[in-house]
Amino acid sequence: KQEVTQIPAALSVPEGENLVLNCSFTDSAIYNLQWFRQDPGKGLTSLLLIQSSQREQTSGRLNASLDKSSGRSTLYIAASQPGDSATYLCAVNSAKAGNNRKLIWGLGTSLAVNP
Amino acid sequence: DGGITQSPKYLFRKEGQNVTLSCEQNLNHDAMYWYRQDPGQGLRLIYYSQIVNDFQKGDIAEGYSVSREKKESFPLTVTSAQKNPTAFYLCASRRGTGANYGYTFGSGTRLTVV
Repeated sequence: KQEVTQIPAALSVPEGENLVLNCSFTDSAIYNLQWFRQDPGKGLTSLLLIQSSQREQTSGRLNASLDKSSGRSTLYIAASQPGDSATYLCAVNSAKAGNNRKLIWGLGTSLAVNP
Repeated sequence: DGGITQSPKYLFRKEGQNVTLSCEQNLNHDAMYWYRQDPGQGLRLIYYSQIVNDFQKGDIAEGYSVSREKKESFPLTVTSAQKNPTAFYLCASRRGTGANYGYTFGSGTRLTVV
């Protein structure tokens, strides 16, 4: 059974720091992995999608990597800003869940960037 | 701009009532999904639809019903059979089910039982 774990559960950093959020999964049979951002009381905003054949994706100050063999993905945020404060969710698109290719979710990392 | 619109933003339900949450997308996406989010738990799939006039149960479909009469609309009804409906409900869509297709989410509906 695919399980997704995100560490740490919460993180507080001063503005300007580079930081890494971790996502691990137990089954390497995935189609893709997606990182989302959620602000309090809001919906999810897609940040990056990494297909199983890819190693990394970049968007602005964000870089996500994928290592299927070790079951890990990292989200790197460069030069963090207070506006980056949010919960970051990792979701794995499992290849073993039939045609729906079901998303398996982590519980998220709550990030606070302090001015 | 294309996107997913969920309404209402807040919804209050009395005991024994059915309520319907709206989800509309103008992205021309084929697949649509309903998730439930509770504190301390990962998102859980309620129902999904990969094509008009077809939908499938997710992990926690009991007490919920859906319809997919139009490509752009996927309403969720929370029935009186759902014993613990207070939660944040999120609608999502995808262009297709290929590995290069990500999910787009709406802004959510917070349902509270009063």
